Amino acid sequence: DQQVKQNSPSLSVQEGRISILNCDYTNSMFDYFLWYKKYPAEGPTFLISISSIKDKNEDGRFTVFLNKSAKHLSLHIVPSQPGDSAVYFCAASNTGFQKLVFGTGTRLLVSP
Amino acid sequence: SAVISQKPSRDICQRGTSLTIQCQVDSQVTMMFWYRQQPGQSLTLIATANQGSEATYESGFVIDKFPISRPNLTFSTLTVSNMSPEDSSIYLCSAAGQGYEQYFGPGTRLTVT
Repeated sequence: DQQVKQNSPSLSVQEGRISILNCDYTNSMFDYFLWYKKYPAEGPTFLISISSIKDKNEDGRFTVFLNKSAKHLSLHIVPSQPGDSAVYFCAASNTGFQKLVFGTGTRLLVSP
Repeated sequence: SAVISQKPSRDICQRGTSLTIQCQVDSQVTMMFWYRQQPGQSLTLIATANQGSEATYESGFVIDKFPISRPNLTFSTLTVSNMSPEDSSIYLCSAAGQGYEQYFGPGTRLTVT
């Protein structure tokens, strides 16, 4: 039972354009959501998070949007840079337990 | 954010043997976690390492197969016991941050032949 899903295994974007990565979840008990970036041979790096009491959180080039009624979140990267090329994982948590449930990941390729 | 190191970074082991992975955090943290990432898959939580008490295992993972130690607030080990090729994965430890985020080590790539 995959509680967190990333339906796009890969995404290609040109440098300078917007990258939009999507994530859906099924468990209505999740109340905190995170995005991680992972380069090969490295551990995941925390990017940005959002609490369920908000619908948007912004940090520099990264913005996360949360639509609770649709159980959907997205990560926008503007402008995209070649160094953003990596696998992006969304993760969800019930803050009472602090465990993370990860999605399957989306491989982003930003071409010059 | 916490800086986390893991040893070894990779290993090739024979089936039936055991491997212990070490995880060191550069600051004291309350909660540490162990994850597995099988080839082409997502990260799956194995267990939460609790300081001063037994680890809490997720469904499908048992202490006999994945014993965990947490002797202090900066260190934890995960042992993969009686290995089979199906245990070939990347094993990652993480530490809880100030909020609900977790910070990850670089991972240990295990290949079982």
